[in-house]
Amino acid sequence: NAGVTQTPKFQVLKTGQSMTLQCAQDMNHEYMSWYRQDPGMGLRLIHYSVGAGITDQGEVPNGYNVSRSTTEDFPLRLLSAAPSQTSVYFCASRRTSGTGELFFGEGSRLTVL
Amino acid sequence: GENVEQHPSTLSVQEGDSAVIKCTYSDSASNYFPWYKQELGKRPQLIIDIRSNVGEKKDQRIAVTLNKTAKHFSLHITETQPEDSAVYFCAARGGGGSYIPTFGRGTSLIVHP
Repeated sequence: NAGVTQTPKFQVLKTGQSMTLQCAQDMNHEYMSWYRQDPGMGLRLIHYSVGAGITDQGEVPNGYNVSRSTTEDFPLRLLSAAPSQTSVYFCASRRTSGTGELFFGEGSRLTVL
Repeated sequence: GENVEQHPSTLSVQEGDSAVIKCTYSDSASNYFPWYKQELGKRPQLIIDIRSNVGEKKDQRIAVTLNKTAKHFSLHITETQPEDSAVYFCAARGGGGSYIPTFGRGTSLIVHP
């Protein structure tokens, strides 16, 4: 199993540009989520999904969109990038039953100029 | 919603010393408390977890204790080694079918050789 795969690993954007961070998992996990990590702020939840066709907002959803058309994929879209969205983004997934362990992707470092 | 406070934000110890990181949570319905370790530039990974029906859990040099009455839980690392240097995150997850953990802000542990 590849686990949770995120692309790209690094991206530089200009203010106002849009982009999509890709996340895919091959563990048949129902639950998928996106976090952003900023110094001293821990991991803050952006959006999450408990299954295909179901998404919901987390703690910091503004400026981001998600969709879940398949169990495997959960892309995060930045509609109009702002410098405040400069961060490291992590996708994470888990089964809705069982141990509760979250499996994280390797992260995507985004810089917005 | 759940609120998780984590202390200290930075912890510096000498190799061989013990390290303790403490977290408090607000939702008495929370029933699952994982700890994640994030090495520099890497993804967070689960190192130990505890459920609310258990007071203590050990795995070699690491242990977690839970006090449900006081709503706090702690990570204990004994005989610290330089490779223990990392950021540690605690989290709490509610009951009632909640899939969403709330993370603390993290503790940067530095182990000096």
